[in-house]
Amino acid sequence: QKEVEQNSGPLSVPEGAIASLNCTYSDRGSQSFFWYRQYSGKSPELIMFIYSNGDKEDGRFTAQLNKASQYVSLLIRDSQPSDSATYLCAVSEGGATNKLIFGTGTLLAVQP
Amino acid sequence: DTEVTQTPKHLVMGMTNKKSLKCEQHMGHRAMYWYKQKAKKPPELMFVYSYEKLSINESVPSRFSPECPNSSLLNLHLHALQPEDSALYLCASSDQSAGPGKQYFGPGTRLTVT
Repeated sequence: QKEVEQNSGPLSVPEGAIASLNCTYSDRGSQSFFWYRQYSGKSPELIMFIYSNGDKEDGRFTAQLNKASQYVSLLIRDSQPSDSATYLCAVSEGGATNKLIFGTGTLLAVQP
Repeated sequence: DTEVTQTPKHLVMGMTNKKSLKCEQHMGHRAMYWYKQKAKKPPELMFVYSYEKLSINESVPSRFSPECPNSSLLNLHLHALQPEDSALYLCASSDQSAGPGKQYFGPGTRLTVT
């Protein structure tokens, strides 16, 4: 059974701080990794994806991938109250259907 | 443009009703998905259509019946649902032609079964 694990939180950080969200996965053959942000009552929104080891930056977001440790993380710099949401880590099984395995999500609360 | 639309936004139905959920995308994506999401849980995959053919059915009860009339449309037909089927139903689409496909979600249909 392929698994993706996240700390459910809540992770509380002060406004302006760096929020660090972590995810581990069980399938060593996984190739594609995604972070979704989900506000309460809304649908998931894709905010980052990463396919290669290392860091990938987009604005205030940085995704980090370490395939040897089977670890993916998302850093949010200069956290804002509007970043308060549940962050879902997802790992793709690949192939024609691109089935995603989701973690349980981490609730982030940014305190003003 | 990464827009997936879903109708209706909210649906209340009795256990004997028949209703349908509709999903549409015009991004040329050839994979489309139905998910069910309960409160404080991650999305749970129900069905996958790839090139308009059903490729994955995650052992979903037959009271849920998917249909893909063309490459842009995906329907989910509902019949004789149970109160525990109340949830947010999400549609997503993915572009398989450009390598590892990123899935984009629609806004969802909030379903309440009474």
